[in-house]
Amino acid sequence: KQEVTQIPAALSVPEGENLVLNCSFTDSAIYNLQWFRQDPGKGLTSLLLIQSSQREQTSGRLNASLDKSSGRSTLYIAASQPGDSATYLCAMRPYNNNDMRFGAGTRLTVKP
Amino acid sequence: GAVVSQHPSRVICKSGTSVKIECRSLDFQATTMFWYRQFPKQSLMLMATSNEGSKATYEQGVEKDKFLINHASLTLSTLTVTSAHPEDSSFYICSASPRGDNEQFFGPGTRLTVL
Repeated sequence: KQEVTQIPAALSVPEGENLVLNCSFTDSAIYNLQWFRQDPGKGLTSLLLIQSSQREQTSGRLNASLDKSSGRSTLYIAASQPGDSATYLCAMRPYNNNDMRFGAGTRLTVKP
Repeated sequence: GAVVSQHPSRVICKSGTSVKIECRSLDFQATTMFWYRQFPKQSLMLMATSNEGSKATYEQGVEKDKFLINHASLTLSTLTVTSAHPEDSSFYICSASPRGDNEQFFGPGTRLTVL
């Protein structure tokens, strides 16, 4: 069964810093990988979806990369803001399955 | 586009009662819907996958007689927690995939509290 691991579990940075969140998965046979944001007590907001054939996706200050061979994805947040404070989840969809496997998330706090 | 709604957003019930949660795809037809559960400070765990018109497929460890899933139309799936107990208190999130699409769109979640 595919395992998805996110490091670190929690991260606190001062406003303005660039930061990287890490996601690793055990099986390289993935169909796609997605990064989400979840605010406390709320549902998921999709940030970036990377297809298996892609290496990265960008949206504004966010950039997500995918390296299937090493089983890793990173989410890069540039010039962090207090409004970026949330839990960030990565999830992968296996190639032979329609469901998604989630990591435990990284809880990010950006201090003003 | 691709909006998924859930109702109710929050429910409190007494132990032993049954609770129904609805998941609707508002602007697309969803051939497949997924139900997840999230305990405090933990990630989402897939409970079951349902395809329109057929029985749901449950993940290992999820009791199908306790968590009844119905996916009777292309825009609606329901999850019924039968004889709810305090340990069933959790955040339940559904997602839906449009026909022929590999992306899942998530609902806002339902907070269930069983007293």
